[in-house]
Amino acid sequence: EVQLVESGGGFVQPGGSLRLSCTASGLTFSVYWMSWVRQAPGKGPEWVANINQDGSERNYVESMKGRFTISRDNARNSVYLQMNNLRADDTAVYYCARDLAWFDYWGQGTLVTVSS
Amino acid sequence: DFVMTQSPDSLAVSLGERATINCKSSQSVFYNSNNKNYLAWYQQKPGQPPKVLIHWASTRESGVPDRFSGSGSGTDFTLTINNLQAEDVAIYYCHQYYSIPRTFGQGTKVEIK
Repeated sequence: EVQLVESGGGFVQPGGSLRLSCTASGLTFSVYWMSWVRQAPGKGPEWVANINQDGSERNYVESMKGRFTISRDNARNSVYLQMNNLRADDTAVYYCARDLAWFDYWGQGTLVTVSS
Repeated sequence: DFVMTQSPDSLAVSLGERATINCKSSQSVFYNSNNKNYLAWYQQKPGQPPKVLIHWASTRESGVPDRFSGSGSGTDFTLTINNLQAEDVAIYYCHQYYSIPRTFGQGTKVEIK
């Protein structure tokens, strides 16, 4: 059974940083693209970033370029999202997902709250 | 960016009846070289992550009941739920994966009348 488990969310002040982690099991992690998708309260999903199998290719939504960095460690079956200079509108549940172009497996998400 | 617009925003359907959700893309998501539409549909229930129902616009995911079907091409797509069941109450999203950034529709809430 494929499982994706996110961690690292929490409460942070504007301008602060957080590093989210997602650990995968039940799949050969190193052969898949992975994505982060977020969902603000009461809103639809918003794709954030993705990364290819060996980490050599990364894509971001324009509004997060320069603030967010996606990375992965295939030895640990993990993908990460480093988030810097956080703003109130970054408040959301952040999901990692297996990226087949569509997203077929999702974690349960980790909540990030940015507030003063 | 590709803008995905769903209609209606919400609908109420009687049990056993049909629900129809539309999704319009601001640009075509049809790729001529492989004859595929780069569009997926998801179902999301409260407190849960989205669950993919359909990809390539009309290919049902394994385990998804056959009362769910997708159709359309280019810029206009439809998710149809036949014989609506109580467990189908959810928000449904379309999603284009033709272009980066990937984008989603705003969602359509399906309720029981």
